[in-house]
Amino acid sequence: GESVGLHLPTLSVQEGDNSIINCAYSNSASDYFIWYKQESGKGPQFIIDIRSNMDKRQGQRVTVLLNKTVKHLSLQIAATQPGDSAVYFCAESKGDYKLSFGAGTTVTVRA
Amino acid sequence: DADVTQTPRNRITKTGKRIMLECSQTKGHDRMYWYRQDPGLGLRLIYYSFDVKDINKGEISDGYSVSRQAQAKFSLSLESAIPNQTALYFCATSDFTRGAHNEQFFGPGTRLTVL
Repeated sequence: GESVGLHLPTLSVQEGDNSIINCAYSNSASDYFIWYKQESGKGPQFIIDIRSNMDKRQGQRVTVLLNKTVKHLSLQIAATQPGDSAVYFCAESKGDYKLSFGAGTTVTVRA
Repeated sequence: DADVTQTPRNRITKTGKRIMLECSQTKGHDRMYWYRQDPGLGLRLIYYSFDVKDINKGEISDGYSVSRQAQAKFSLSLESAIPNQTALYFCATSDFTRGAHNEQFFGPGTRLTVL
C-alpha cells in the first residue's frame, strides 16, 4: 500500500549549519509532495510543495529535492536558526488533493 | 493560525460519552478537514468536506461523524468515546478555488482524553 515515511525520527543540528531532512515514499502515482512544519503546541504549517514532474524547488531558505528514481524526498534548510526547531512532516497528494502524512522528524537546533 | 479556531482546546471525558469538537474558520475556504495526531504516527485524516453538505470519509472514520452545515463550520463527533480515541485533533482548511491545492491551514488543536 501507499505510505510516506521519514528516514530518521530525530535530527540535531548546530545553529548556522544546513539541515537535511529526508523522506521516503512508496506511491509513484502521487501528484505532489509537500513539507509541513509543526512547532510545539501548534498545528502544522505549510512550508513548500513540489510537483511530481519537477526535481527541485526553492523557497525562502528552503529547498526541496525530489528523486523519483529512488522515491526519495528531502528538505534542505539553509543556515538553520533556533526558530527552525520543530517537527517536520512530509506528505503526498494525489487526485483530489487529500494529504497523506508521514510520521515526522523532530529537528533540534543546538546553540 | 487565528483564522482557524477549535473548541474546546482540551477535554477530558469518560468512555461511552458523546463528544463534539467544533471548528470555525474566517478564511472563506471551501474545504475543511479533521485529522487526529498520535505520537509517532503523524496526522491521519478522519473526514473531509469540499463544500457545505459534502462529506467524505478519510482513512480512519470509524467511530466518528461530522457535520458541515455552513461553509465556516465543521464539527466532529464521537458518538460513544473510547480510550483509544485519546489523541490530538486538528481541523484544517484549504482554498481549492484559488488553486492552492496543498496548503492547508491548521487550527491550534484539541487535546482529547478518554478515560
